[in-house]
Amino acid sequence: AQTVTQSQPEMSVQEAETVTLSCTYDTSESDYYLFWYKQPPSRQMILVIRQEAYKQQNATENRFSVNFQKAAKSFSLKISDSQLGDAAMYFCAYRTLYSGNTPLVFGKGTRLSVIA
Amino acid sequence: DTGVSQDPRHKITKRGQNVTFRCDPISEHNRLYWYRQTLGQGPEFLTYFQNEAQLEKSRLLSDRFSAERPKGSFSTLEIQRTEQGDSAMYLCASSTNSVQGAWGGYTFGSGTRLTVV
Repeated sequence: AQTVTQSQPEMSVQEAETVTLSCTYDTSESDYYLFWYKQPPSRQMILVIRQEAYKQQNATENRFSVNFQKAAKSFSLKISDSQLGDAAMYFCAYRTLYSGNTPLVFGKGTRLSVIA
Repeated sequence: DTGVSQDPRHKITKRGQNVTFRCDPISEHNRLYWYRQTLGQGPEFLTYFQNEAQLEKSRLLSDRFSAERPKGSFSTLEIQRTEQGDSAMYLCASSTNSVQGAWGGYTFGSGTRLTVV
């Protein structure tokens, strides 16, 4: 079974600075998707960024980018120019490419605080 | 379409009572998922449906839990004889079942917070 590990329970960053959240995963599959979700205090999970495992190029969405290291099974999230609204729980998640199989598997999350 | 809706937002119940939650997915999404999230933890998979068929159930889903999705639209999650350990946020999410759907991730509802006293 696939597992997702987030080793940083909490992180903090100064407003306008850059922070990197770590995620590692374990799988025997070669094709899959990886996601970062954000869960603000209102509790609704929001998709932040996604990466296809067969693409070498790291995904970027505005201030959010990932560092995907397939061999190392690492998928970190970098948030640039951090804003107060970025404060939330961030979850790394894995999903098989073949959607007939297992559902999304989440890590335990990293709580990000943004300091004004 | 306003996204995934869950009702109620909060539920307080006494131990031993039965509770039922409802989830209305995005209309064109044929997959519906239930997750449980305890404080400070990531969502844990409970069960999912493709249309009206329940395709997978987690070992977390004890026999006190039952989920249905009649007609492949909304879904209900019932917990019988609630225990204090059932206190958690119950999240519903939906997606399509295509490869494109897998790429798109899930759309989540705001969850139902259950407190068993």
